[in-house]
Amino acid sequence: GQSLEQPSEVTAVEGAIVQINCTYQTSGFYGLSWYQQHDGGAPTFLSYNGLDGLEETGRFSSFLSRSDSYGYLLLQELQMKDSASYFCAVWNAGNMLTFGGGTRLMVKP
Amino acid sequence: DTAVSQTPKYLVTQMGNDKSIKCEQNLGHDTMYWYKQDSKKFLKIMFSYNNKELIINETVPNRFSPKSPDKAHLNLHINSLELGDSAVYFCASSPTGNEQFFGPGTRLTVL
Repeated sequence: GQSLEQPSEVTAVEGAIVQINCTYQTSGFYGLSWYQQHDGGAPTFLSYNGLDGLEETGRFSSFLSRSDSYGYLLLQELQMKDSASYFCAVWNAGNMLTFGGGTRLMVKP
Repeated sequence: DTAVSQTPKYLVTQMGNDKSIKCEQNLGHDTMYWYKQDSKKFLKIMFSYNNKELIINETVPNRFSPKSPDKAHLNLHINSLELGDSAVYFCASSPTGNEQFFGPGTRLTVL
């Protein structure tokens, strides 16, 4: 089967940097995606890592290590609007996304 | 200009009823999905269609029947609703699979 582990909750202050880790176990792994979901809203795509290394998109970066079955999402210069749930999701040979349980990020002033 | 739209946004109904949720995307994507998000925010895929053909059916009770009249539409019909069906249902579409565009969700409450 497949499993993904990520922390259930993270708290940080405005302006800080936070890292949300994700470890996974799956077969036929293609890559790792990250999604953001605000309360009452829909998940929105943030990034995808198909290869090892760091992908940067503005204040957000995502990292993948296929050998360690591990990835993380790095959020810099945190803003209040970044308070949301963040999901890692494995994209695999079954052509589907399997989501982790989500990490609720609370940004405090 | 809505990319992925769903109707209705809220659905409140009694156990045993039959209901449908509609989804439309104007992004020109070939693949569409239905997901269920439970009260603990766990997001699980239910179905995937590629150009009107079913390609994923993830151990969903056969009370749930998706229908894709064309590649821009994927509807979900649910028969004999049960309390455990209460959740938020999201439709999504994708050009690649790993980057998916989600609709606003339909909050289903079964009483």
